Amino acid sequence: QKEVEQDPGPLSVPEGAIVSLNCTYSNSAFQYFMWYRQYSRKGPELLMYTYSSGNKEDGRFTAQVDKSSKYISLFIRDSQPSDSATYLCAVWPNGNNRLAFGKGNQVVVIP
Amino acid sequence: DSGVTQTPKHLITATGQRVTLRCSPRSGDLSVYWYQQSLDQGLQFLIQYYNGEERAKGNILERFSAQQFPDLHSELNLSSLELGDSALYFCASSVDWAEAGTGELFFGEGSRLTVL
Repeated sequence: QKEVEQDPGPLSVPEGAIVSLNCTYSNSAFQYFMWYRQYSRKGPELLMYTYSSGNKEDGRFTAQVDKSSKYISLFIRDSQPSDSATYLCAVWPNGNNRLAFGKGNQVVVIP
Repeated sequence: DSGVTQTPKHLITATGQRVTLRCSPRSGDLSVYWYQQSLDQGLQFLIQYYNGEERAKGNILERFSAQQFPDLHSELNLSSLELGDSALYFCASSVDWAEAGTGELFFGEGSRLTVL
């Protein structure tokens, strides 16, 4: 079983829409959850980082962790064409010095 | 700009050949990670070095090897290349997570390898 699963389907939304992305993870012991953003022809960069459960907001972005269902979510409000990128969820397995990434969702925001 | 430098950006080679990818981490970062990104597998962890020593190993093939030098730059060597090795190879660096307690990796822009 993979440590984190992300349905890698692309997503096209009109400008101003809410984007909702989700991942599931396998081990209830995980406590560190991240979202990375990857623009075309670039390396991933950390977008948001959450420790344990709950919500975290940063401007138009909200990261949510539901540990009871082992579900990680990212919401983008008032989406902009500049948000067009691939979004990868990641977990930091305890005891390992590495991140495990989901496959990523390519998001296209249409002006 | 993440501060992580990778060379070369693009590489085209033939099956059976050997290539070396190079990475310079951010100034001050002791940890270097190598990841492979392909459409079907996503971003897969290969190996991590910390201050010159191997610290963690992931799905790295025996045909692949890496090292980190005293100046902290790292090289990933890929040999007996196969068509399926065509992918983006990313290097990332970080502070020591055991001390910093965060999951932030700083990625380079990647080396795109095409095996024909």
